[in-house]
Amino acid sequence: GAGVSQSPSNKVTEKGKDVELRCDPISGHTALYWYRQSLGQGLEFLIYFQGNSAPDKSGLPSDRFSAERTGGSVSTLTIQRTQQEDSAVYLCASSSGRGPREAFFGQGTRLTVV
Amino acid sequence: AQSVSQHNHHVILSEAASLELGCNYSYGGTVNLFWYVQYPGQHLQLLLKYFSGDPLVKGIKGFEAEFIKSKFSFNLRKPSVQWSDTAEYFCAVLTAGNKLTFGGGTRVLVKP
Repeated sequence: GAGVSQSPSNKVTEKGKDVELRCDPISGHTALYWYRQSLGQGLEFLIYFQGNSAPDKSGLPSDRFSAERTGGSVSTLTIQRTQQEDSAVYLCASSSGRGPREAFFGQGTRLTVV
Repeated sequence: AQSVSQHNHHVILSEAASLELGCNYSYGGTVNLFWYVQYPGQHLQLLLKYFSGDPLVKGIKGFEAEFIKSKFSFNLRKPSVQWSDTAEYFCAVLTAGNKLTFGGGTRVLVKP
């Protein structure tokens, strides 16, 4: 596609429910990042995928958070047993290949846990 | 672990004033540096980047940034801001392993 696409754009869920957030990176981009942006906070790194390498999961805040990337393209971020503190905008970005490349961001998914 | 610090959380200035936003990082190896901008209601966009070569880089909309290796800094500047520069600005560092780390962001409000 022309850009990074994220869905849904908005998600309201009840505390304790599981949610799945989807990211479609730019076609051909092998690197994919997930970040969380909370009100008044910067961009908190969550997880990074690069090709077929093992993902860098060092930013996932708890074991309730997981992500996968199928076929080296689409990625899904799953949050289990959501808590109110999970409310944030979840951003996905992709970049092409190895070496220094700029990352292109999607519009994000605004998650609200009530 | 690498980290990125942006010194100012909020900046308010008038049109035509000069802008400088500070960015410092902590990482001893080779870095690639970026400034991203997020206009109200829009997604993050690249403003400028430094990979190698001339440490003074020019980006879009009249912005520039200077990489000073000895100070671990990559400050963003614009000589004369416009109301349309109201946005949040993020400094980012790409390190070995392609981990992209962002600073906390600086909200800039330009008063007309």
